[in-house]
Amino acid sequence: NAGVTQTPKFQVLKTGQSMTLQCAQDMNHEYMSWYRQDPGMGLRLIHYSVGAGITDQGEVPNGYNVSRSTTEDFPLRLLSAAPSQTSVYFCASRSPLAEKETQYFGPGTRLLVL
Amino acid sequence: SQQGEEDPQALSIQEGENATMNCSYKTSINNLQWYRQNSGRGLVHLILIRSNEREKHSGRLRVTLDTSKKSSSLLITASRAADTASYFCATDVQGGSEKLVFGKGTKLTVNP
Repeated sequence: NAGVTQTPKFQVLKTGQSMTLQCAQDMNHEYMSWYRQDPGMGLRLIHYSVGAGITDQGEVPNGYNVSRSTTEDFPLRLLSAAPSQTSVYFCASRSPLAEKETQYFGPGTRLLVL
Repeated sequence: SQQGEEDPQALSIQEGENATMNCSYKTSINNLQWYRQNSGRGLVHLILIRSNEREKHSGRLRVTLDTSKKSSSLLITASRAADTASYFCATDVQGGSEKLVFGKGTKLTVNP
């Protein structure tokens, strides 16, 4: 199993550009989440999904869109990039079963917005 | 707002010593988890303790949970240089188990 994969690893954008961060998992996990990590702020939840076709907002959703058309994929879209979105983005997945709460993280995407 | 807050923010010890990190949280939880993050990498799950458990062990890790104080501690015994990393607690809030809320982390440096 590849686990959780994220692409790209690193991206530079200009203010106002849009892009999609890709996330895929091959563990058949229903729950998937996007976090951003900034220095001194820990991880903050952007959006999450409890299954295909179901998404919801986390703590910091503004400026980001998500969709979940399949169990495997959970892309994060930046509609109009801003310097404040410079961060490291992590995708994670886990099973909804009570005995399997471990969250699996991808390697992250480093985004720089100029 | 952050659910979990780790303490201290940074900890520097010598190899062989024990490292203790604390986590406080605000609302009732189903479980509390600890994760490790090596520099520039994703987070890796270390251990999970449920709200009806008080202590749990895994190798050199010992986790305690005090639900009356809404706090947890992670003890790493006989630390090694390879334990150098940031450690985060995450809470699985009651009634909202689809979300994990992370603290800001403790940066541990183990000097050889």
